[in-house]
Order: sequence, then C-alpha cells, then structure tokens
Amino acid sequence: EIVMTQSPATLSVSPGERATLSCRASQSVSSNLAWYQQKPGQAPRLLIYGASTRATGIPARFSGSGSGTEFTLTISSLQSEDFAVYYCQQYNNWPGTFGPGTKVDIK
Amino acid sequence: QITLKESGPTLVKPTQTLTLTCTFSGFSLSTSGVGVGWIRQPPGKALEWLALIYWNDDKRYSPSLKSRLTITKDTSKNQVVLTMTNMDPVDTATYYCAHHFTFGGVIVIPYWGQGTLVTVSS
Repeated sequence: EIVMTQSPATLSVSPGERATLSCRASQSVSSNLAWYQQKPGQAPRLLIYGASTRATGIPARFSGSGSGTEFTLTISSLQSEDFAVYYCQQYNNWPGTFGPGTKVDIK
Repeated sequence: QITLKESGPTLVKPTQTLTLTCTFSGFSLSTSGVGVGWIRQPPGKALEWLALIYWNDDKRYSPSLKSRLTITKDTSKNQVVLTMTNMDPVDTATYYCAHHFTFGGVIVIPYWGQGTLVTVSS
C-alpha cells in the first residue's frame, strides 16, 4: 500500500497570502494524484486531479503541480472560505490512499 | 444534479454486521466509467477508501478490510449497499458514499454524500 505524507500538519496564513502545501508518496504515483478540501462537518470537495487539473468550478487561485513522489498544492491568495483541511490522495494503485491532511488556519 | 445519501444505523454493537445503503440520483450506475464507492473517516482522522463498485460490476476492496466487506449494487433502484461484518469500536467513523468516474487511468471523486456517523459501542 502506498503511504502518503503531507507537510506541514498545520499552516497558519493571513488572508491574501500565498499558501503552499506539500504531499509525498512512498513510491511513484505518476500524475495520479488528487487534492481535496474539507471543512468541518462537510464532505470532502474535489479540487485537483491528475496532479494539476482543476475540477469543475474550482477557482484559478488553486493550482497543483508535481509528479512521481512529490506534489504541491498552491493557493495563490487565501480567501476566508479557503481555511480548511486539505488532503492529497493517490489513485495510481488500489486502494487509493489519502494523506493525513494539512490544516490551513488563520494567522 | 448529482446527489448521494447514506442511510443505515447510527449505533451498532461490537461483533454486529453494519449495513449501509447509498441512494443516489442524477446519474446511472450502468454508464461506462461510473462507480460508487465508500470512504470512511474516524473522528478527527484521515480518510480511508473502503470499497468501490463499477458500472460493469467490477468490485474493489481495501486489502486490509476485504474479508469483512461486501459491496453490491441495484441499478434499478439507484442504490449501492455496503456490508461490514464483525464491527469493532475502531470502526467508529463517518461513512461516505461517493460517485467515482474513471477515464484514461484517472479516477475522480467529484460527488460525495453528506456522510453518516456510525458509532460502535456496547
């Protein structure tokens, strides 16, 4: 099973600032990686798939990059609604495994 | 509009079998590339993919839980059912059903149910 790790565990950012979240896979997952946003009491929301393709309706301030084992989610200018937990997930090998999450909170 | 909703018991006793039903609308589980899966999240913890059933009845299970899980579909009723045997308190979690779509090696999960919290306790 592929193990996903995320860093940092918590990221404190001021509104309007840039946030950079990292995700690492224990072995190559090619570009078969997705990012999800989850707010308290809500289901996850798909942001990015294929490492860099934004899902339908996702604002352009969200961007993904990377391939192989190292991936990054960047939020270019944090809005109030972006404070949440972000999970990466590989779907290269079954079962698709999720990282432990990065919580983005208000600085 | 695609929606999914989980239903089932909120409390089960240890060793009992959990049966959850996902009732969906806005898509057909007989459409090529479409699947419905179950993902759970223990309180305050990360997400864990449990099982997935595709339009062609191909089924996938988490290797660590495979012996305890069964996933089935009823296309005419737009329902997917997950059963998990021998429940334990560590299985306490919010259980989500989710619409999956696969194309060219990509598996996206764009639609999720609201989730249902299942507590395992005597």
